[in-house]
Amino acid sequence: TQLLEQSPQFLSIQEGENLTVYCNSSSVFSSLQWYRQEPGEGPVLLVTVVTGGEVKKLKRLTFQFGDARKDSSLHITAAQPGDTGLYLCAGADKLLGSQGNLIFGKGTKLSVKP
Amino acid sequence: SAVISQKPSRDICQRGTSLTIQCQVDSQVTMMFWYRQQPGQSLTLIATANQGSEATYESGFVIDKFPISRPNLTFSTLTVSNMSPEDSSIYLCSGLGQGAAEAFFGQGTRLTVV
Repeated sequence: TQLLEQSPQFLSIQEGENLTVYCNSSSVFSSLQWYRQEPGEGPVLLVTVVTGGEVKKLKRLTFQFGDARKDSSLHITAAQPGDTGLYLCAGADKLLGSQGNLIFGKGTKLSVKP
Repeated sequence: SAVISQKPSRDICQRGTSLTIQCQVDSQVTMMFWYRQQPGQSLTLIATANQGSEATYESGFVIDKFPISRPNLTFSTLTVSNMSPEDSSIYLCSGLGQGAAEAFFGQGTRLTVV
């Protein structure tokens, strides 16, 4: 069974601080996605990383896929209250055939205080 | 990206009754999934909705409790049957586009069973 370990589970910081969320597995994924979810809404896709070592930037968010495609990180610079939400990583497992299904981490609940 | 409309957005139901949740996608998707999520926590896959055939259920979920239909590529329903307070949760549908590994989600249905 593939597992994605996501840490930390909870994070409460002040506006302007930096933070990093980690997603780790012993398994290789064909791609990994990061989602952000606000209360009362479904998860919204932020980014997909596919290539080992890949780095993608989305404004103040930096996403990295590990060289071996087993881990990923999300770094937020100068966090703002609008960044508050639940962040989920999800790995795509093509070994199941077709697109398979996504395997989700447990999520990181981020609270950014003004 | 696909837009997924899910309804109802929330409901309060009496124990012993059933609720059917509908999910409509604005474009064809190859795979549709149903998830359950406790507020602030990660997603648990209930089943993969297969077009024109029985859904594929994950361990711990059975068809009698969570019957699923998918009559075409853009529509699916999930019924939560004979509800108990333990079924109170957020239910989400998602779809995967052709050749894609990223999932798109409906806004979720927040179910409270009293």
